[in-house]
Amino acid sequence: QVQLQESGPGLVKPSGTLSLTCSVSGDSSSSSYWTWIRQTPGKGLEWIGYVYHRGITNYNPSLKSRVTISIDTSKNQFSLNLSSVTAADTAVYYCARGGCDKNTCYNGWFDSWGQGTLVTVSS
Amino acid sequence: DIQMTQSPSTLSASVGDRVTITCRASQSISGWLAWYQQKPGKAPKLLIYKASSLESGVPSRFSDSGSGTEFTLTISSLQPDDFATYYCQQYNSYPWTFGQGTKVEIK
Repeated sequence: QVQLQESGPGLVKPSGTLSLTCSVSGDSSSSSYWTWIRQTPGKGLEWIGYVYHRGITNYNPSLKSRVTISIDTSKNQFSLNLSSVTAADTAVYYCARGGCDKNTCYNGWFDSWGQGTLVTVSS
Repeated sequence: DIQMTQSPSTLSASVGDRVTITCRASQSISGWLAWYQQKPGKAPKLLIYKASSLESGVPSRFSDSGSGTEFTLTISSLQPDDFATYYCQQYNSYPWTFGQGTKVEIK
């Protein structure tokens, strides 16, 4: 069973960089799409982007200029960096896996999620 | 971006009720829709994906229907564990987008 766990600072200063890591266990597949999603009371659930093996990425255009998602397969981890943060980036951040069906993984729905981590942007 | 609109925003129901939640897309998404359940303080949990495929372990009282721009999630007989917020999500066109949620509360 796949398990994901987010880690990183819970408080980031405005104009700083938000950095989170997701540790994955139970899935060493190189064919999964590893995704970041965030949730705020105001905007709801927002897809941030994904990283695929060999570092192929795709980002939400609304965040693309500030986002980097990377993967470290040797550690079974992937990471999110979001630069130039403001209070609007305060959210619960989730890492998730693109859904797998009959041993094929897709980039569409999300079948495994981390528990989420609250990141607050404040001075 | 494709906008996903759910109705109602809140639904009051009793155990045993048949419950229907509607999700409308601002443009056609074919059948590329997923449904999630979220309880307070927890991550969303996948219920249904890829043209009515029920995620493993999800009770068969959950079902969905629709295509194009209008979809429904139905809970055939509401159980105590089903009181939660439900979200739809489209994966037809980037960026993937979610509905704003429908909270199912106890009547």
